[in-house]
Amino acid sequence: SQTIHQWPATLVQPVGSPLSLECTVEGTSNPNLYWYRQAAGRGLQLLFYSVGIGQISSEVPQNLSASRPQDRQFILSSKKLLLSDSGFYLCAWSHPTGTGGGQYFGPGTRLTVT
Amino acid sequence: TQLLEQSPQFLSIQEGENLTVYCNSSSVFSSLQWYRQEPGEGPVLLVTVVTGGEVKKLKRLTFQFGDARKDSSLHITAAQPGDTGLYLCAGRVSNAGNMLTFGGGTRLMVKP
Repeated sequence: SQTIHQWPATLVQPVGSPLSLECTVEGTSNPNLYWYRQAAGRGLQLLFYSVGIGQISSEVPQNLSASRPQDRQFILSSKKLLLSDSGFYLCAWSHPTGTGGGQYFGPGTRLTVT
Repeated sequence: TQLLEQSPQFLSIQEGENLTVYCNSSSVFSSLQWYRQEPGEGPVLLVTVVTGGEVKKLKRLTFQFGDARKDSSLHITAAQPGDTGLYLCAGRVSNAGNMLTFGGGTRLMVKP
C-alpha cells in the first residue's frame, strides 16, 4: 500500500529565516506530487505540482519554491519567510493517470512565522 | 480559474439529524471528489463520482453528482459525533491532468 510522509509536523520560524519542508511517498512509482496551503479551517490553495523529477509547475507566484530531486520526494522551500507564509502545508500524491483524479494527502505541516 | 462553492460553510446539528452539503460550480468537471478532514490532519478521500447523475453510498453517506457534472451533494443520514469535521469537495477538469479545484469547505459539528 502507498503511504505519504511529511516533516516536520510543526515548525515555528522567525521572519526572514529559510524554510524547507519535505514530503516523501512510498509504495508507488512516478506519482504526481502536489503542495497545497490551507488557511484555518478552509479550502486548499494549490501552490506547486510536479509530474516528474525536476518538473515543477507553480500555480501561485509567491515567496516559495519547490523541487523534486527524486521520484518520490517533494520539497517546499523559501529563502526568507514572511508573516503571510504562516499556514498549514499539505503534500499530496496521485497516480499519473488516476481514475477520477483522486489525490491522497499527507498529515500536513503547521508553519508559524513569528 | 474554476470555482467551486460549498454551502453551508458551517453546520451545527444534534446527533441523529440528517443533513445535506452542496457543492456548486458553473464549470463542468470530469469527476468530483469529496474529502473529510479532521483538525491538524490531512484530508481523507471519501469518494469519487465520475458519471453525471451518479449516486454513491458509503454507509450513512450518500453522494450525488449532478446530471450536468457541475454540482454535487453529500447527504448524511442520522449524523453521529464521529462525523464532525471539515468536508471538502474538489473537481477535476478533464484537460488538466489530475489537477483539482477545491471548494471552501463545510465545517460540520455533530453534538451528542
